[in-house]
Amino acid sequence: DTAVSQTPKYLVTQMGNDKSIKCEQNLGHDTMYWYKQDSKKFLKIMFSYNNKELIINETVPNRFSPKSPDKAHLNLHINSLELGDSAVYFCASSQGGGSGPHEQYFGPGTRLTVT
Amino acid sequence: GDSVTQMEGPVTLSEEAFLTINCTYTATGYPSLFWYVQYPGEGLQLLLKATKADDKGSNKGFEATYRKETTSFHLEKGSVQVSDSAVYFCALTAGGTSYGKLTFGQGTILTVHP
Repeated sequence: DTAVSQTPKYLVTQMGNDKSIKCEQNLGHDTMYWYKQDSKKFLKIMFSYNNKELIINETVPNRFSPKSPDKAHLNLHINSLELGDSAVYFCASSQGGGSGPHEQYFGPGTRLTVT
Repeated sequence: GDSVTQMEGPVTLSEEAFLTINCTYTATGYPSLFWYVQYPGEGLQLLLKATKADDKGSNKGFEATYRKETTSFHLEKGSVQVSDSAVYFCALTAGGTSYGKLTFGQGTILTVHP
């Protein structure tokens, strides 16, 4: 059983296109996250949802729009893709998004390549 | 703002060597500290954590101690194996209104040779 799954695993597309990445968790967690990992392996949070409510929105271009249809899903839609969007995108989930050592469980990542 | 600084890599060791990866942090309040590991082609896995000063996290032979006086959380292992080759990330959550947001260090690539 995969705890946090993402689709697709690889995504190759051209500049200007619109694409979506899907994430699902079967852990019963109430908080989900999107992180971006650049080519130098640096990880930075993009968004977080708690019980379908947006609670973290870092400085991310508004071409990126997260959507959470329910607690188990957090999708990422990207409009007008640019070369600089090429990265690995990780979804994660945890139980409780407040203070405390809530372990985050990560998906396998989606490698996005924009040509 | 909150930040985490790790020693720069890559780190290359022979099997059974001693490993130290340095990590220092800047945060308001009392953060929780974590080490995550990323094996090639995979997502991140929690390796160990510590939630308050002087706590020691340990797992799979790895250890790290939360040192508030030096704002550090260095990762150590007494005898590394080839299977430990991976990228290691130090991270923190600051609590309060951070909503569990993980702030990561830049990652350290470890390669262990037989």
